[in-house]
Amino acid sequence: DIQMTQSPSTLSASVGDRVTITCRASQSISSWLAWYQQKPGKAPKLLIYKASSLEYGVPSRFSGSGSGTEFTLTISNLQPDDFATYYCQQYKTYWTFGQGTKVDIE
Amino acid sequence: QVHLVESGGGVVQPGRSLSLSCAVSGFTFSNFGMHWVRQAPGKGLEWVAFIWSDGNTKFYADSVKGRFTVSRDNSKNTLYLQMNSLRAEDTAVYYCASLFIIRGGSQYGMDVWGQGTTVTVSS
Repeated sequence: DIQMTQSPSTLSASVGDRVTITCRASQSISSWLAWYQQKPGKAPKLLIYKASSLEYGVPSRFSGSGSGTEFTLTISNLQPDDFATYYCQQYKTYWTFGQGTKVDIE
Repeated sequence: QVHLVESGGGVVQPGRSLSLSCAVSGFTFSNFGMHWVRQAPGKGLEWVAFIWSDGNTKFYADSVKGRFTVSRDNSKNTLYLQMNSLRAEDTAVYYCASLFIIRGGSQYGMDVWGQGTTVTVSS
């Protein structure tokens, strides 16, 4: 099974900051990676698919990069609405989520 | 507009069974594979089960294999999850979803989620 490891688990930041979240796969998943944002009591919301493709309607301050086993989600100019938990997910072989990264207010 | 509405959650004793449903509208249900994903209180997302569009192919997470059964009725646009021999660790919000899938090196499907239904396993 493919394991997904995110870092950090928690990230404290301020409005206007640039933040980066890392996701590592236990084996190569090519570019078959998605990023989600989840707020309390809500379903996950897709931000990025195929490692770097921005989902329709998602602000351009969100970007993804990487391939193989190492991936990053970058939020430039962090906005108040961006304080949430973020998950990576591989869909190359079955489906596996990372453990999540909570972005909270510093 | 796409809608996925889960139902059937509740409180159940360990060892008992529960059946979840997910009513789908707004897209051609019979063309898409469907999933169940769960989230234990305060924890991350865990993929649970997948069923192919025709219902003939199913995959399960090791944590539920042999206890849970996913099924679908394309005539009713409904996805199901039969959960048997429930354990305390099955306590979670259960989401039905359509997720991306890779076949033959290409990406298919779409990403849509319901709002979830809560299952609590407790005596």
